[in-house]
Amino acid sequence: EVQLVESGGGSVQPGGSLRLSCAASGYSFSSHWMHWVRQGPEKGLVWVSRINFDGSATTYADSVRGRFTISRDNAKNTLYLQMNSLRAEDTAVYYCTRESAAVGTRYMDVWGKGTTVTVSS
Amino acid sequence: DVVMTQSPLSLPVTPGESASISCRSSQSLLDGNGYNHLDWYLQKPGQSPQLLIYLGSNRASGVPDRFSGSGSGTDFTLKISRVEAEDVGVYYCMQGLQTPLFTFGPGTKVDIK
Repeated sequence: EVQLVESGGGSVQPGGSLRLSCAASGYSFSSHWMHWVRQGPEKGLVWVSRINFDGSATTYADSVRGRFTISRDNAKNTLYLQMNSLRAEDTAVYYCTRESAAVGTRYMDVWGKGTTVTVSS
Repeated sequence: DVVMTQSPLSLPVTPGESASISCRSSQSLLDGNGYNHLDWYLQKPGQSPQLLIYLGSNRASGVPDRFSGSGSGTDFTLKISRVEAEDVGVYYCMQGLQTPLFTFGPGTKVDIK
């Protein structure tokens, strides 16, 4: 069974840091680009970041660029999101998602259950 | 920047009847290969989102055939024929072609009348 399991969420003060992890199983992890998508309390979905197969190419939403870093360890089948200089507006459920491997497509075909990040003093 | 809009934002439905959700993009989502980079996701209550429709009109694996997607360019529609109680939740469209990539619509909340 294809599965994505996020961890690492928690409560942190403004200005603090957290590192999220996403453990992938049931498929060839290195064959797929990966994403982080977040959802604030009672809000919609917002794309955060994307990484290519081997981690050599990354993109970020303007709201997190320079503060968040996406990375992956294909040997461990794990995706990461290092979040620094956290703000109250970063409070959200963070989902790890898999991008389709079909050439020329960019849809997210697998989603994890999410991990909750709360930034508050 | 591309802007995604959905209507309606709230949709009460009667089981057994059909329902439609519109998604509009401020820029064309049709690429040079003829693919429309518009996808639909459903977030059921208390769950993470799941893929319903990709590339405008293709049902994802395991999605019932009462769900269908149509449209091209800037205007897209998700139709649910014969709505069932398990279809309640928030439906999001998402574009994957224009800048900024991976822009979601605001969501349409579907519930039972």
